[in-house]
Amino acid sequence: ELKVEQNPLFLSMQEGKNYTIYCNYSTTSDRLYWYRQDPGKSLESLFVLLSNGAVKQEGRLMASLDTKARLSTLHITAAVHDLSATYFCAVDERDYGQNFVFGPGTRLSVLP
Amino acid sequence: GAVVSQHPSRVICKSGTSVKIECRSLDFQATTMFWYRQFPKKSLMLMATSNEGSKATYEQGVEKDKFLINHASLTLSTLTVTSAHPEDSSFYICSARDRERPWEQYFGPGTRLTVT
Repeated sequence: ELKVEQNPLFLSMQEGKNYTIYCNYSTTSDRLYWYRQDPGKSLESLFVLLSNGAVKQEGRLMASLDTKARLSTLHITAAVHDLSATYFCAVDERDYGQNFVFGPGTRLSVLP
Repeated sequence: GAVVSQHPSRVICKSGTSVKIECRSLDFQATTMFWYRQFPKKSLMLMATSNEGSKATYEQGVEKDKFLINHASLTLSTLTVTSAHPEDSSFYICSARDRERPWEQYFGPGTRLTVT
């Protein structure tokens, strides 16, 4: 059974600081996704990582994938309040989406 | 592009009644659609995978007679919660896979179901 873990589950940080969210998974996969969810809303796709060593950046967020370590990171640079949300990673194990498993989510709160 | 809609966005129903939720891919053909359930402050749990023209594949522990899924066309899947109970109250999110970009899943805005 595929397991996806995230660390930390809760993160409170000050504006301007940097931090990293970690996503570990238990099976071989080279398809890893990051999503953002605001309260009461659905998911917003942030990054799609499709190969070992993939690195993508958008604004203050950067995601990377190490398939050998079964680890993805979401790095936040100089956090701002607008980044406050819950961040989920998800792993696609079989085919495309036949077994899409989400991590528990990291609730990020950026304080002024 | 790649928009998925859900209807209704919110629904309140009484125990024992049935509720139908629609999921549509607006500008692409979705060979596969997925239904997820999310409890407050929890992660998404895949309920079932539906392929156009065939029976849905349900995840372990999901009652197929309670959560009826129909994928009638390449742009429409429906989830019917039958004989709803208060414990069925949840946020239901669908997603769709674009046949032209099979590595992507596009998520709908979700439907909040409250059973009284």
